[in-house]
Amino acid sequence: QKEVEQDPGPLSVPEGAIVSLNCTYSNSAFQYFMWYRQYSRKGPELLMYTYSSGNKEDGRFTAQVDKSSKYISLFIRDSQPSDSATYLCAMSDPSNFGNEKLTFGTGTRLTIIP
Amino acid sequence: EPEVTQTPSHQVTQMGQEVILRCVPISNHLYFYWYRQILGQKVEFLVSFYNNEISEKSEIFDDQFSVERPDGSNFTLKIRSTKLEDSAMYFCASTPPSREQYFGPGTRLTVT
Repeated sequence: QKEVEQDPGPLSVPEGAIVSLNCTYSNSAFQYFMWYRQYSRKGPELLMYTYSSGNKEDGRFTAQVDKSSKYISLFIRDSQPSDSATYLCAMSDPSNFGNEKLTFGTGTRLTIIP
Repeated sequence: EPEVTQTPSHQVTQMGQEVILRCVPISNHLYFYWYRQILGQKVEFLVSFYNNEISEKSEIFDDQFSVERPDGSNFTLKIRSTKLEDSAMYFCASTPPSREQYFGPGTRLTVT
């Protein structure tokens, strides 16, 4: 079983729709969760960072964590064509402070259709 | 807003040659990482670095790889004798005490 599973897509939705992106994980030591956006051949751009179960909102983005189910989600409201990118989930084990390597999902390629 | 920078953006080298990839992390960050991403694959951890020493390295980070922070601002990744399978995007990341990681734009390494 992979440590982090993410549906690679591709996912295509019309402009203005709500997008739901998801990851599951198997390692219960993961306590810090991040979502990155990556454009083709560019570096991952940090969108959301959270460490507690529940929801965290930032503008059109909401990150949701359910540690009991080992399941995290990113919701994008009022999706725009500029949101078209690959979305990566990443997580880390904080028990070794300062050496919190990230374990990434494979990424979901998202296209917003105007 | 401060950001992680990396040079060069693209490096082409012949198999067996040495390459040095350079990174300037965000100035008040303390923890530094290198990751790589082979085309079409996921981002993989290579090495973490704190207080002028390696904290952890992955299986990928063999004796051909080394890291250095020579002057308190730059952070370099050296590959001593490149192989075809080293072709990938290499990302530097840095972390403040609040623990989220910020990535640079990457260096695309092509080994021919």
